[in-house]
Amino acid sequence: EIVLTQSPGTLSFSPGERATLSCRASQSLAGGYIAWYQQKPGQTPRLLIYGASHRATGIPDRFSGSGSGTDFTLTIRRLEPEDFAVYYCQQYGDSWTFGQGTKVEI
Amino acid sequence: QITLKESGPALVKPTQTLTLTCTFSGFSLSASGVSVGWIRQPPGKALEWLALIYWDDDRRYNPSLKNRLTITKDTSKNQVVLTMTNMDPVDTATYYCAHSNADWFDPWGQGTLVTVSS
Repeated sequence: EIVLTQSPGTLSFSPGERATLSCRASQSLAGGYIAWYQQKPGQTPRLLIYGASHRATGIPDRFSGSGSGTDFTLTIRRLEPEDFAVYYCQQYGDSWTFGQGTKVEI
Repeated sequence: QITLKESGPALVKPTQTLTLTCTFSGFSLSASGVSVGWIRQPPGKALEWLALIYWDDDRRYNPSLKNRLTITKDTSKNQVVLTMTNMDPVDTATYYCAHSNADWFDPWGQGTLVTVSS
């Protein structure tokens, strides 16, 4: 099973700042088989990024994904108030697993 | 527009079998490349993938739960059913179904909270 590690569990920022979230895989995901989701309290997860770097439909361009192999990053260029949420990475290179999530708080 | 909605009991007793139904619209589960997955989330915790069924009826299960899970589809009713046997309080979670291309999950249903308690 491929384990995804997201650390730290919580990051604190101010609106307008740049946020960089990390997701590390226990095995190489050579095809960039990583997706990112945003989940706000009481809401359903929303797909942000697939294929490590491709934005899903309707996702603002302040969200970007990058990485390869075992290390992947979600960057939020300028945090808006509505971006404070929990972010999960998910791999689909070998079955499907999720990371433990990173909470982005004010 | 693709929509999915989960339904099932809100409360089950330990050792009982849970049956959840995902009713969807906006796509056909008989179309090549389409799949539906189930994911759960215990209160305050992370997401956990449970099972996935492909358009061709191929099925995949989380290895740690494989012996307890069964996923089926009824294409004529646009439904996917997940059963989980021998429920335990640690299985208390919100259960989501989601449309998938067998890679990522999008969109998701609203989720249904299942509590396991005697």
